[in-house]
Amino acid sequence: NAGVMQNPRHLVRRRGQEARLRCSPMKGHSHVYWYRQLPEEGLKFMVYLQKENIIDESGMPKERFSAEFPKEGPSILRIQQVVRGDSAAYFCASSLDNYSGANVLTFGAGSRLTVL
Amino acid sequence: GESVGLHLPTLSVQEGDNSIINCAYSNSASDYFIWYKQESGKGPQFIIDIRSNMDKRQGQRVTVLLNKTVKHLSLQIAATQPGDSAVYFCAERGNTDKLIFGTGTRLQVFP
Repeated sequence: NAGVMQNPRHLVRRRGQEARLRCSPMKGHSHVYWYRQLPEEGLKFMVYLQKENIIDESGMPKERFSAEFPKEGPSILRIQQVVRGDSAAYFCASSLDNYSGANVLTFGAGSRLTVL
Repeated sequence: GESVGLHLPTLSVQEGDNSIINCAYSNSASDYFIWYKQESGKGPQFIIDIRSNMDKRQGQRVTVLLNKTVKHLSLQIAATQPGDSAVYFCAERGNTDKLIFGTGTRLQVFP
């Protein structure tokens, strides 16, 4: 079991470019969450997805940010026209089922975005 | 709104001592709590969890205590080791399906 796989681990973009972060959940997991972490801060919820559906995007900025979790393939967090304030670590987590008792999220190693 | 906060941003302990990391939460409807450990450059790693119908749960060298009356959560680490050095986050699940994380406490273990 490879766990939650995120790529790229490090991404450098110039202001105005697009950033695409990928997340493959653990095998058998159908729930994916994206969190953002600034240096020396906690994890801030961004979006919760199930296959082909966005369940909760209350933590997503209204502009430039989007997320998807297609029927086939990894979940994608897309940031358009990046700005320096987007520099952060973006963590993906997955879970088997929200209401199957313990809702333990398994996290990936994160993707660290640096905007120059 | 929902919020989770920690009393101490940094905790320094000597190797072999016990560590106690505290967490306050504000949503009385939260029914599930988790402690995560995050080492530098890595993703959060599950340590232990507790449901709201319990007040104590023990794992290997770790104990989580939940006081619903004052909405307080603590993580106790026995015989702290250098490998325990990390940032520790508590997280709660409230009315929604997502986990809300606290700011984090950095644990530094000195020999």
